[in-house]
Amino acid sequence: SQKIEQNSEALNIQEGKTATLTCNYTNYSPAYLQWYRQDPGRGPVFLLLIRENEKEKRKERLKVTFDTTLKQSLFHITASQPADSATYLCALYQAGTALIFGKGTTLSVSS
Amino acid sequence: GAGVSQSPSNKVTEKGKDVELRCDPISGHTALYWYRQSLGQGLEFLIYFQGNSAPDKSGLPSDRFSAERTGGSVSTLTIQRTQQEDSAVYLCASSLGLAGTYNEQFFGPGTRLTVL
Repeated sequence: SQKIEQNSEALNIQEGKTATLTCNYTNYSPAYLQWYRQDPGRGPVFLLLIRENEKEKRKERLKVTFDTTLKQSLFHITASQPADSATYLCALYQAGTALIFGKGTTLSVSS
Repeated sequence: GAGVSQSPSNKVTEKGKDVELRCDPISGHTALYWYRQSLGQGLEFLIYFQGNSAPDKSGLPSDRFSAERTGGSVSTLTIQRTQQEDSAVYLCASSLGLAGTYNEQFFGPGTRLTVL
């Protein structure tokens, strides 16, 4: 079955820098991949979706890439701010089930 | 508009008791999902409902877990004879359509279940 790995459990960066989070999957390329943000004590909130035929998607300071050869998605936050501190989850659709989520990467942005 | 709501927000129960967790999805969303999130773990898929179709129960960890969705709206997740390993945050999500149709999922705040 499909597995997702988000390589870093925690990432600490300084305000203003670009944060890059990695999501790798093991088997077939999914039709699409989603990124969610989760704050403590809350449910995840959808951020971006990228389809398998798209290389890159942007939304304000967020950028997601999808490399089906590497079986990898990168999630970038440019000009990071302390308010960006949260856990970011990668999720992909596996046919016959709902979304499969990674364990997440906890980002801490210090001022 | 109103988002996904879940109740109770917290539930403490004794081992062996049954519990019911409730989810009110966003109005008009045909798909509803239940996930479980244990400390330090990712979201674990449990079950999803799509319209009036039979639910996909492939993620339920044991036959102590069941769920129903009445009238295509409210859903209840029931855990019978709770065990300590059932302690987790149970999250409900809804979407306009099935996961395979590029729909984002809207999550509720979750129910934190503690089994003593």
